Amino acid sequence: GIQVEQSPPDLILQEGANSTLRCNFSDSVNNLQWFHQNPWGQLINLFYIPSGTKQNGRLSATTVATERYSLLYISSSQTTDSGVYFCAPYSGNTPLVFGKGTRLSVIA
Amino acid sequence: DTGVSQNPRHKITKRGQNVTFRCDPISEHNRLYWYRQTLGQGPEFLTYFQNEAQLEKSRLLSDRFSAERPKGSFSTLEIQRTEQGDSAMYLCASSLGSEGYTFGSGTRLTVV
Repeated sequence: GIQVEQSPPDLILQEGANSTLRCNFSDSVNNLQWFHQNPWGQLINLFYIPSGTKQNGRLSATTVATERYSLLYISSSQTTDSGVYFCAPYSGNTPLVFGKGTRLSVIA
Repeated sequence: DTGVSQNPRHKITKRGQNVTFRCDPISEHNRLYWYRQTLGQGPEFLTYFQNEAQLEKSRLLSDRFSAERPKGSFSTLEIQRTEQGDSAMYLCASSLGSEGYTFGSGTRLTVV
């Protein structure tokens, strides 16, 4: 099955700082999502991004499927951005596969 | 569209008891997925349905686990003879075809 590697595993930011989270995956995929898991365990969909670049407010994501990686950019971080960020690639009928995530802590 | 709904939110049970969780997907979504997440790990796939057909089951889904989606709408996940190792967050998601998944809030199971 698809192997997913996320980096860094842990990240501490001062409020207002920018960051880039990376996701590498082992196989060709035609779908990919980024999720934020809040402290209560809810998985919030951030981006459905099989390829290209999307932006939503302070967040943006880029997927280069041919090179098997995706990036999530967080700008002007806020304490509410804290939590775990998961990358989850998948293909066709193969269920979504999660990495171990990046645990982000934003301190005031 | 009320999102994916899971009940109960929390369940505490004694070892050896049976438990059942329910998931109500987004109404127009034809696919429904179950995942399990333990502390510090990413969610792991258990099984998924397309309409009422169960199309794939993970090796994680032991004989004590059974899932149903009888009319292609809501789904139930039953765990028989629970063990302490079953303690986890059980997550349900739905999608329309292979487009983006939407997850519910999960059911946190504690086996004592």
